[in-house]
Amino acid sequence: GAVVSQHPSRVICKSGTSVKIECRSLDFQATTMFWYRQFPKKSLMLMATSNEGSKATYEQGVEKDKFLINHASLTLSTLTVTSAHPEDSSFYICSASHWGTGELFFGEGSRLTVL
Amino acid sequence: DQQVKQNSPSLSVQEGRISILNCDYTNSMFDYFLWYKKYPAEGPTFLISISSIKDKNEDGRFTVFLNKSAKHLSLHIVPSQPGDSAVYFCAASGGGATNKLIFGTGTLLAVQP
Repeated sequence: GAVVSQHPSRVICKSGTSVKIECRSLDFQATTMFWYRQFPKKSLMLMATSNEGSKATYEQGVEKDKFLINHASLTLSTLTVTSAHPEDSSFYICSASHWGTGELFFGEGSRLTVL
Repeated sequence: DQQVKQNSPSLSVQEGRISILNCDYTNSMFDYFLWYKKYPAEGPTFLISISSIKDKNEDGRFTVFLNKSAKHLSLHIVPSQPGDSAVYFCAASGGGATNKLIFGTGTLLAVQP
């Protein structure tokens, strides 16, 4: 079946540094990718919708200058957490919409810990 | 404002019995509903979905029921197995943004052997 891969699966960084998380659709093209954030014991919160070749659409309350999203190709979207702080520590999950069927597939998630 | 709600944060069921997970929504524009299963530190995996034109969809041990008038859906798992132990999220989409999912808060299901 279709696979979406996220990298890295775990990352620990110092406060003030920037971290990039990649989301790749391995065997299909994805015109639209979504980025979610999950707090402990909380729901998955949609952060932004990214369409290939255009600017991401951010949900209300999500800082676009802090969470930079780039969707440079039909198989890759990146989320960069800039100047990370401990409160940015979370589980970040991407999903990709299959170009042909529209079916949605989720990545394995990336655990970010900011010290 | 939580548009999709799962009021039971956890549920414990004996192996072989039925598990019933509930979900309520407030937005009448939602027209597609999905259930996902999630293990810790992993992404959600799709289980089953239902369109608003249906009131029931069945796939093996999993059945989803939709009551549009009550804005309520439920996931039935029968018989429950220990491997079903996970967090279950319901999600809804609609209003034109078909893949923009709004997730509930999740229910942790524990199936006891």
